[in-house]
Amino acid sequence: NAGVTQTPKFQVLKTGQSMTLQCAQDMNHEYMSWYRQDPGMGLRLIHYSVGAGITDQGEVPNGYNVSRSTTEDFPLRLLSAAPSQTSVYFCASSPAGQGNEKLFFGSGTQLSVL
Amino acid sequence: GNSVTQMEGPVTLSEEAFLTINCTYTATGYPSLFWYVQYPGEGLQLLLKATKADDKGSNKGFEATYRKETTSFHLEKGSVQVSDSAVYFCALSDRGYQKVTFGTGTKLQVIP
Repeated sequence: NAGVTQTPKFQVLKTGQSMTLQCAQDMNHEYMSWYRQDPGMGLRLIHYSVGAGITDQGEVPNGYNVSRSTTEDFPLRLLSAAPSQTSVYFCASSPAGQGNEKLFFGSGTQLSVL
Repeated sequence: GNSVTQMEGPVTLSEEAFLTINCTYTATGYPSLFWYVQYPGEGLQLLLKATKADDKGSNKGFEATYRKETTSFHLEKGSVQVSDSAVYFCALSDRGYQKVTFGTGTKLQVIP
């Protein structure tokens, strides 16, 4: 059982480049989300989705786009990378329903923007 | 808005010492409370949770009690091991939503 799979594990970009961080889960979870982890700031929510075709902004959405065309996939797009987006990115999923708020995390993508 | 405040680290303990990591929260309504653990190079994983006041979550010798009157959810373990070295995150989520709010994390280092 793969759980939540993120690719790539490491990425280096130049300022202004675009890229997509991939996230896939095989647990048929309705909820998926993207967080960034920065030193001294914990995890901050970027975007989330409560089901296929439905997305919404989190705490720090600027500079990122998402879409959810299938239940399994939730890619995160950086349109024009900036050094401030250097971070570790985590994708997470969760089953729907009250009492099911447990998040399942991927192993993360370490992104450096030069 | 919701927020979680946890003690700054790093916390360094000798093996078999008692551990407390403080966590307090601010939220509207009645959130669920969580402790997540992150081992080096890995994603976070749920350690324990509590969904209502006075509930005690426990797992792997760790425990935390949901204290509504003090808005706290402190993590404790009676005897830590080297393998407990990790970063611990306190978190909350509003009922009916999947937007989880995390604290800044507390790094624990246990030395033999």
